Amino acid sequence: KQEVTQIPAALSVPEGENLVLNCSFTDSAIYNLQWFRQDPGKGLTSLLLIQSSQREQTSGRLNASLDKSSGRSTLYIAASQPGDSATYLCAVRGNFNKFYFGSGTKLNVKP
Amino acid sequence: NAGVMQNPRHLVRRRGQEARLRCSPMKGHSHVYWYRQLPEEGLKFMVYLQKENIIDESGMPKERFSAEFPKEGPSILRIQQVVRGDSAAYFCASSPRPDTEAFFGQGTRLTVV
Repeated sequence: KQEVTQIPAALSVPEGENLVLNCSFTDSAIYNLQWFRQDPGKGLTSLLLIQSSQREQTSGRLNASLDKSSGRSTLYIAASQPGDSATYLCAVRGNFNKFYFGSGTKLNVKP
Repeated sequence: NAGVMQNPRHLVRRRGQEARLRCSPMKGHSHVYWYRQLPEEGLKFMVYLQKENIIDESGMPKERFSAEFPKEGPSILRIQQVVRGDSAAYFCASSPRPDTEAFFGQGTRLTVV
């Protein structure tokens, strides 16, 4: 069974720092990996999708990488801002198309 | 193209009542997924449906829970005889194909009193 782990569970940084969120998964047989953002009491906002054949995807200040063979993905956030404060969720899509989610990294960017 | 629409956003039910949660996928999306997020926990898969078919319901409790995605209309997640432990946020996601980006709704927060 696929297990997804996100490290760290929580992160507090001053505004302007570059930061890296980590995601690891146990079964490399995935279709794709998607990073989401969840604000308190809200739904999930899709940030980046990486297909299993891709190595990385970029959107604005966000860059996500995927190393399928080692079961790892990282989300890099450049020049963090207070508005980036949220919980970041990593989800891998495997057999039968369902997502397996990590428990998330709760990010707080201090002004 | 509106996003994934879930209603109601908040639902309060007394123990023993039925809860019906609705999800309208994005236009052109025929794959629908339901997830549950318990307080302070991660999202857990419940069921995956395509139009008129349940593809995978391995995450659904065997009793009291059912889901459908009819040919016309929204997908419905039905919880019969709710108990306090059913209190959670229920999220619906849709995608046009299994290998494409999935989009989530805002969720329905169910509170059982």
